[in-house]
Amino acid sequence: GENVEQHPSTLSVQEGDSAVIKCTYSDSASNYFPWYKQELGKRPQLIIDIRSNVGEKKDQRIAVTLNKTAKHFSLHITETQPEDSAVYFCAAGDSNYQLIWGAGTKLIIKP
Amino acid sequence: EAEVAQSPRYKITEKSQAVAFWCDPISGHATLYWYRQILGQGPELLVQFQDESVVDDSQLPKDRFSAERLKGVDSTLKIQPAELGDSAMYLCASSLPGTSSYEQYFGPGTRLTVT
Repeated sequence: GENVEQHPSTLSVQEGDSAVIKCTYSDSASNYFPWYKQELGKRPQLIIDIRSNVGEKKDQRIAVTLNKTAKHFSLHITETQPEDSAVYFCAAGDSNYQLIWGAGTKLIIKP
Repeated sequence: EAEVAQSPRYKITEKSQAVAFWCDPISGHATLYWYRQILGQGPELLVQFQDESVVDDSQLPKDRFSAERLKGVDSTLKIQPAELGDSAMYLCASSLPGTSSYEQYFGPGTRLTVT
């Protein structure tokens, strides 16, 4: 079955710098790749997603890139702010509309 | 803005007791998911419903867990008997049918502590 690996598990960046989180997936049939942000004790919230027919998508300070050949996708956050501190999860969607989740990245924004 | 509702938000129970969680998806969302999230890990799918039918429950420990969505709207997840290892956040999510079905909207979750 599908497997999603996410790196790094913890990422600490200076406020204002950029952060990049990377994920790889194993099932070439996966065609939907969302990123969720989860603050401590709260629900996961969708922040951006990309479908397999698109290589890059941007939404203000957040962007996602997809390389289908290499089966990896990345989340880019520019001009990081304290409120970006959270755990970020990537996932890959299969043909049954199920999401296979990565293990998460704890993003720490240092003031 | 419509949201997925879950109750209770917190539940403390003793091992071997029964516990039940309730979820009300966003109106019109035909697909409903129950996840278990252990602290520090990603959500793990337990069961997926399409309307009132189970699409996938392969990861549901059926000796103690059960889930139902009798009228294709709200859903209940039950654990009987609860074990210490069941302590986790139980999340419900829903999505629309059709090409938007990948976008899952989560409820606030039920944090279960088994003592």
